[in-house]
Amino acid sequence: QPVLTQPPSSSASPGESARLTCTLPSDINVGSYNIYWYQQKPGSPPRYLLYYYSDSDKGQGSGVPSRFSGSKDASANTGILLISGLQSEDEADYYCMVWPSTALGVFGGGTKLTVL
Amino acid sequence: QLQLQESGPGLVKSSETLSLTCTVSGGSISSSSYYWDWIRQPPGKGLEWIGSIYYSGSTYYTPSLKSRVTISVDTSKNQFSLKLSSVTAADTAVYSCARRYYYGSGSEFDYWGQGTLVTVSS
Repeated sequence: QPVLTQPPSSSASPGESARLTCTLPSDINVGSYNIYWYQQKPGSPPRYLLYYYSDSDKGQGSGVPSRFSGSKDASANTGILLISGLQSEDEADYYCMVWPSTALGVFGGGTKLTVL
Repeated sequence: QLQLQESGPGLVKSSETLSLTCTVSGGSISSSSYYWDWIRQPPGKGLEWIGSIYYSGSTYYTPSLKSRVTISVDTSKNQFSLKLSSVTAADTAVYSCARRYYYGSGSEFDYWGQGTLVTVSS
């Protein structure tokens, strides 16, 4: 079962950008998969933010602001969630997810984002 | 508006079977392009995908739980269910049901239940 690695915590100030990473194991090529991102606030279920495959194949969740965007760093086998113009309401846990096959979904361990 | 609601015992004894049901309202569980999934989250920890079912009955389970998990669907009641056998304290978690939209190249959860805490006691 693959493991997606996310830093446990990250922080940034309001108005700045936050770059959250999701590193795939070496046997799963990030270039071959959609990377999904979810936001979870305390006491609430996760909210779908977006998926990223490439610049020409990506999708935004309903009502998700455009300041949330995705990308990949193929050299690091990593998916990236970029949050620009940070707001206090962006303070939450963020999870990446990959479907290595139709039959298997894998979440990352999550990153707790603090807006200072 | 689609709604999902988990129900079932909040306390299960160690070695017994955890049983939960997710009732779907505001839409049909028999809709094509959607899977119905269970996800859990131990207190203070991250999300773990448990498995999913299609309305036809096709199921998929995460390998680490496959030997203990059964997901079933009752289209007449617009419900799907989770059974996890031989539970231990490590199975204590908030269990959530969710709808997953599948579109061939990908799959995303678009609706979630609020989740229900199941505690395994010794």
